[in-house]
Amino acid sequence: DAGVTQSPTHLIKTRGQHVTLRCSPISGHKSVSWYQQVLGQGPQFIFQYYEKEERGRGNFPDRFSARQFPNYSSELNVNALLLGDSALYLCASSSHFSTSTDTQYFGPGTRLTVL
Amino acid sequence: GQQLNQSPQSMFIQEGEDVSMNCTSSSIFNTWLWYKQEPGEGPVLLIALYKAGELTSNGRLTAQFGITRKDSFLNISASIPSDVGIYFCAGQLLGGSEKLVFGKGTKLTVNP
Repeated sequence: DAGVTQSPTHLIKTRGQHVTLRCSPISGHKSVSWYQQVLGQGPQFIFQYYEKEERGRGNFPDRFSARQFPNYSSELNVNALLLGDSALYLCASSSHFSTSTDTQYFGPGTRLTVL
Repeated sequence: GQQLNQSPQSMFIQEGEDVSMNCTSSSIFNTWLWYKQEPGEGPVLLIALYKAGELTSNGRLTAQFGITRKDSFLNISASIPSDVGIYFCAGQLLGGSEKLVFGKGTKLTVNP
């Protein structure tokens, strides 16, 4: 089975632009989470979606938004890009929500560079 | 953003040596996870711990969920060159969002 897939792999944008990142979870997984990882740091939680509903939001500005589709894939949108948005954006999927033994599996990430 | 206290930040060891790293938090977690990340890739799950006091092994890797639920450690025995990478601990709370809170990582270098 394929793991979590993300597209595009790399992206270069300029300040003020908008970006959309895409994620397909592991087949059968219904929960998708997004994380931002800046160089030298651990990933920081942005959003979690389960069954197309937002279940959690991290401490990120309203410029960041996301949604989940009926096939459980997800998009992360970032408006009015800033230089500080340059990071590796990771998507993780898990099969359920709030299950004690559930685990999140990560995709390879999208490397976003804002110039 | 919130991050766990992970140490050491980096380790330089010889092939065959054992490695130990740990993670502490001021908060209680229901689950502790250990991931490994290599350049240009996403984190790969190594070990998941679900109960306080639990000791779990995965090949040469062993991890424990602290009794207080505020800490965890990871040991790697008889290191090999392919162990090179950045190791992250992550804590997870259930109820509400399932967000993972990560440490800053331990960068491991293994000299052959």
